[in-house]
Amino acid sequence: QKEVEQNSGPLSVPEGAIASLNCTYSDRGSQSFFWYRQYSGKSPELIMSIYSNGDKEDGRFTAQLNKASQYVSLLIRDSQPSDSATYLCAVSGGGAQKLVFGQGTRLTINP
Amino acid sequence: GAVVSQHPSWVICKSGTSVKIECRSLDFQATTMFWYRQFPKQSLMLMATSNEGSKATYEQGVEKDKFLINHASLTLSTLTVTSAHPEDSSFYICSATRTGPRNYGYTFGSGTRLTVV
Repeated sequence: QKEVEQNSGPLSVPEGAIASLNCTYSDRGSQSFFWYRQYSGKSPELIMSIYSNGDKEDGRFTAQLNKASQYVSLLIRDSQPSDSATYLCAVSGGGAQKLVFGQGTRLTINP
Repeated sequence: GAVVSQHPSWVICKSGTSVKIECRSLDFQATTMFWYRQFPKQSLMLMATSNEGSKATYEQGVEKDKFLINHASLTLSTLTVTSAHPEDSSFYICSATRTGPRNYGYTFGSGTRLTVV
């Protein structure tokens, strides 16, 4: 079982709709959870970080964490073509512990 | 704040030569740095974790004698790919973080595209 699992997609969503990305993790001791966006040939850029159960909203993005079920999700509202990218879920044990990535979900927003 | 500079951004080398990649934290002291490798259409795979002044901890399957990591200061870590071969061609990315009273997250470098010919 992989440490962090995502549906690799591709996920296709019409412009203006909500894109929903999901991620599960195996280590119950995980403390820190991140969503990164990566454009082809570029380094990942942080979209959201979440550390406690519940929802965290930042603009069009909402991260949801459920530690009991060991999943974390990312919702993108009012999806734009510029949101088309690969979205990486990453998990760590907190502090300065190693960050482990899922395989990424390729998202395409169709105009 | 929290900027990590990675150089070079791309490099082409001949098979059998060595290549050094630098990762610098510009405005914070990085107690821990991580090195990742990413092959086309795949995710980031952690190669090793380095703490300042200590030997790096390598992930399973990563050859420590081939991928030399040095973290001699709180602002600089280097990855040297020794005796590079075409199968080492990949996108190498460093990341830095620090210990402290709060969650500082991870700051990524811009990556190095290595092509071995």
